[in-house]
Amino acid sequence: QKEVEQNSGPLSVPEGAIASLNCTYSDRVSQSFFWYRQYSGKSPELIMSIYSNGDKEDGRFTAQLNKASQYVSLLIRDSQPSDSATYLCAVNIWGIDSGAGSYQLTFGKGTKLSVIP
Amino acid sequence: AAGVIQSPRHLIKEKRETATLKCYPIPRHDTVYWYQQGPGQDPQFLISFYEKMQSDKGSIPDRFSAQQFSDYHSELNMSSLELGDSALYFCASSLERGAYEQYFGPGTRLTVT
Repeated sequence: QKEVEQNSGPLSVPEGAIASLNCTYSDRVSQSFFWYRQYSGKSPELIMSIYSNGDKEDGRFTAQLNKASQYVSLLIRDSQPSDSATYLCAVNIWGIDSGAGSYQLTFGKGTKLSVIP
Repeated sequence: AAGVIQSPRHLIKEKRETATLKCYPIPRHDTVYWYQQGPGQDPQFLISFYEKMQSDKGSIPDRFSAQQFSDYHSELNMSSLELGDSALYFCASSLERGAYEQYFGPGTRLTVT
């Protein structure tokens, strides 16, 4: 089982609606969680980071974290066609396979969002 | 704001050839990461460097090697290229060995023919 799970979609919402994306993770000691947006053929773009339980809002985006349930979500309000992309949930996991160790991002497979005009 | 710089952006190589990818992190970021993303896949961690020392290794083939230089830029060297190495290669950088956010560069699209 993959360490970070997401519904692959596609998720289609009408313009102006709320898009809700969900993610679960298996590593109970993970402390930091991220949502990246990736357009086809482009690099992942960080849109939200969240470190403590509860909600974090930034413009039209709200991230929610529940460490007890090992669940992270992203809400996009007033969805726009330009929001159409793949949204990657990522969890920071400490790795020390060699060297002094560092955090490495483990990604879910991504949810493809389509916002219909 | 300055971002992560990668070069080249596109690279076409033949099987068994060698490729070198370069990454320039965001100024003052001390940690560099390399990720590989195959078609339809999520990014997979390859290797990381902190203060010019290798800090962690993921699913990096033995044919690949990397290093970080005194100016903090990093190079990923790939030898004996195989068709399956065709992918997007991303470099990311962060402060404090990734305890916080990692920022990705634009990537290098490698095509092996």
